[in-house]
Formats: sequence, C-alpha cells, structure tokens
Amino acid sequence: EAQVTQNPRYLITVTGKKLTVTCSQNMNHEYMSWYRQDPGLGLRQIYYSMNVEVTDKGDVPEGYKVSRKEKRNFPLILESPSPNQTSLYFCASRGGSTSQYFGPGTRLLVL
Amino acid sequence: ILNVEQSPQSLHVQEGDSTNFTCSFPSSNFYALHWYRWETAKSPEALFVMTLNGDEKKKGRISATLNTKEGYSYLYIKGSQPEDSATYLCACILEYGNKLVFGAGTILRVKS
Repeated sequence: EAQVTQNPRYLITVTGKKLTVTCSQNMNHEYMSWYRQDPGLGLRQIYYSMNVEVTDKGDVPEGYKVSRKEKRNFPLILESPSPNQTSLYFCASRGGSTSQYFGPGTRLLVL
Repeated sequence: ILNVEQSPQSLHVQEGDSTNFTCSFPSSNFYALHWYRWETAKSPEALFVMTLNGDEKKKGRISATLNTKEGYSYLYIKGSQPEDSATYLCACILEYGNKLVFGAGTILRVKS
C-alpha cells in the first residue's frame, strides 16, 4: 500500500529538548515536504526536498532542520524547540507529475 | 512570489445544493494545478492533478476545470451532501521541479 508514515503521532516535550520527527515514503517519490498547520493559517511549508541531498527552505524554516540522505526518508529536526513550534505537522511526498500524498500528521506540544 | 488565491474563504450550503469554488494563480510558467480535500482530523487527500489548458476532471459528483491562460481553476460539487463538508485546497507548481504552493483553502459546510 502506497503510504507516507510519520512518527511519533503525538509528542509532548519541553523547551530546548532536541527532537526528531521521522517521515518515510514507500513510493520512490523524488519530492518530499514538511508543513505545519496552525488554526487560521492553513498549510505552511517548512522545508522541501527535490531529491537525495537536495533541500530548500519553505515559507517558515526558522527553528527547523531537515536532511535527505536516502530517497525514502525525510526527518524533521527541532534542535531547540520553543512553545511557538507547538503545531500539527504533516510530511508529504510526490512524484514529478503525481498528486501529493500526506502522512497522518504529528501533533507536537512544546511546554 | 507565487500567490495562490482561493475564494470564497468559506461557504455554507444546504444538502442538495450545487456549489463551486475558485482557485487563481499566476498564468506565466504554469506547470500543474492540484486540488485536495481535507477533512477535520485527517490528512489532505488528492482529488485532481491538472496540467493542460482546458483540462476537465471528474470524480463522482466533484469535477474541476482549468484555464491556464487566464490563471484560474474551478471546483464544482453537484448535489452537495453533509459528507462533502471539508476544506478544499488548491495548489500550484510553476515550472517542473518547483515546489507545490498551496492556497489558504475554501471551507465548505453542508447542512442536512
């Protein structure tokens, strides 16, 4: 089954404690992205990747890092989380001409 | 800067009504237009991907059209049902290889 998986699905952490949200896709897609969704603000892109070792900033990259060492994985790293990073995060992947597949979402609370 | 605009922002209709939304985008260097359906507490799901001027796509009671020369796409829902209640997102790619840019969405509420 074609899918994008994210882990963890829910996370409560404290300010400053580094965390990683993993994302994996099994469709051999070139493009992968991370979004955050906040009430009233829709989907905002954090980072995206066009292929292995190729990443670029989205609209709200501050406070986040990503890496794309393998085609299937695209982890999101918060080196020093802050309360304003409390949000719902979606990972997504697509091929060059295909629609985008979204993961189930990760709900993060930073205290 | 690529701006993808959607209207209206929200829409309340009665069951059985037909409705439509608009997505506007820059017409230069157009590559593809996507429509997604996003239900509360779920992930967005793809409805259509369209690339050619004049494209029309249909999925059950939902259809979409594309005009790349004037930079707009319409999404139509015929005979709305309560289960159609969701946020409908459009997204655009300008030039192959560029990122997918989303509009803010149209929130549809269908009352029974």
